[in-house]
Amino acid sequence: AQTVTQSQPEMSVQEAETVTLSCTYDTSESNYYLFWYKQPPSRQMILVIRQEAYKQQNATENRFSVNFQKAAKSFSLKISDSQLGDTAMYFCASAAMNRDDKIIFGKGTRLHILP
Amino acid sequence: EPEVTQTPSHQVTQMGQEVILRCVPISNHLYFYWYRQILGQKVEFLVSFYNNEISEKSEIFDDQFSVERPDGSNFTLKIRSTKLEDSAMYFCASMAGRDEQFFGPGTRLTVL
Repeated sequence: AQTVTQSQPEMSVQEAETVTLSCTYDTSESNYYLFWYKQPPSRQMILVIRQEAYKQQNATENRFSVNFQKAAKSFSLKISDSQLGDTAMYFCASAAMNRDDKIIFGKGTRLHILP
Repeated sequence: EPEVTQTPSHQVTQMGQEVILRCVPISNHLYFYWYRQILGQKVEFLVSFYNNEISEKSEIFDDQFSVERPDGSNFTLKIRSTKLEDSAMYFCASMAGRDEQFFGPGTRLTVL
């Protein structure tokens, strides 16, 4: 079974600051994906970043990067130079690789970027 | 850019009524999913569908729920007799192979 835990229900940072969202997970799969999804007030689910667990290099997408610690089963998201448009709910998630498997989501972290 | 679409965007229904939520996955995708998000809670998996049959379903997906791919393009979720607790955002997703699932914009279901 897979579980995803996000221990920060809500965070606020000033615009232009850097913020890190925490996530831990547990899985019995040997190959899996980890994701961060953004859900703005429109409630659309937007993929921010994806990490293949077999890759040691941390994934990066522009201002978004992850710190993937496989042994610790930790997968944090860092947002650099935060912008007002980053205000949203952020979900950490996992899915087994090599199968048509479901995505398991954490409970989310509500991030507020303050002007 | 191809995208998953869902209709309607908002559905209001009376308790006990049947509803059908519709999704048009990306055309060359083979794997289809429904997820649910009750307001303020996390997104939960309902069902996955591949090769015209259910691959996996969660405990939420009881006998009141069914899925269909009636014409090779649409992918529908039917709730036979809605309950108040079915009020949620329902997301459809599709995937080409063993890679990224693409989510639709969601249908907000309100059961009165």
